[in-house]
Amino acid sequence: GAVVSQHPSRVICKSGTSVKIECRSLDFQATTMFWYRQFPKQSLMLMATSNEGSKATYEQGVEKDKFLINHASLTLSTLTVTSAHPEDSSFYICSARDVRRSSYEQYFGPGTRLTVT
Amino acid sequence: GQNIDQPTEMTATEGAIVQINCTYQTSGFNGLFWYQQHAGEAPTFLSYNVLDGLEEKGRFSSFLSRSKGYSYLLLKELQMKDSASYLCAVRDYVSRDTGFQKLVFGTGTRLLVSP
Repeated sequence: GAVVSQHPSRVICKSGTSVKIECRSLDFQATTMFWYRQFPKQSLMLMATSNEGSKATYEQGVEKDKFLINHASLTLSTLTVTSAHPEDSSFYICSARDVRRSSYEQYFGPGTRLTVT
Repeated sequence: GQNIDQPTEMTATEGAIVQINCTYQTSGFNGLFWYQQHAGEAPTFLSYNVLDGLEEKGRFSSFLSRSKGYSYLLLKELQMKDSASYLCAVRDYVSRDTGFQKLVFGTGTRLLVSP
């Protein structure tokens, strides 16, 4: 149990365009979802956290107008990278937890490799 | 500030035992996690420590000393498939009402297991 999927797994887009990444919890209800970014050989950095039906909470230094997060249901969250630039190229990983089930467990999706040309 | 230190890289041979250390300095502490991450994949959960002491789970054990800001992950009977990055992460903050929690990750230790 506790599977998180992401789509797409890889995406290449041109500079200036927008790209949407979906994160789904397949067999549990994700009361809280997290979006991370990981640059090569670096650590995972939390970008934002969202609760279903609420606005996302962004970490310091993350532009909320550039990285749009929508947590529309208990099984789906989307991250839209708007007006993408080459420096946005990274590995984006979502994570989800059901606060009603566990005091700490957080399940990670397989990640999305974004390349902006 | 937030600081989590791990060795960058370690090597070991199949069948051996390896210990990966992690030291941390964070503004808060609500538990420490170890994750395994293969290249290009998402992290998978290995262990969680919130109290001092050793947690054992099969070939993997994790130790925590909160007073020293120190943890280690012990891998026994190493297998080739254990070649991966191992991430230490501290739960800096948690809200039990909203589900919000912040994990601060170290840069990871790349473990290479050779035959």
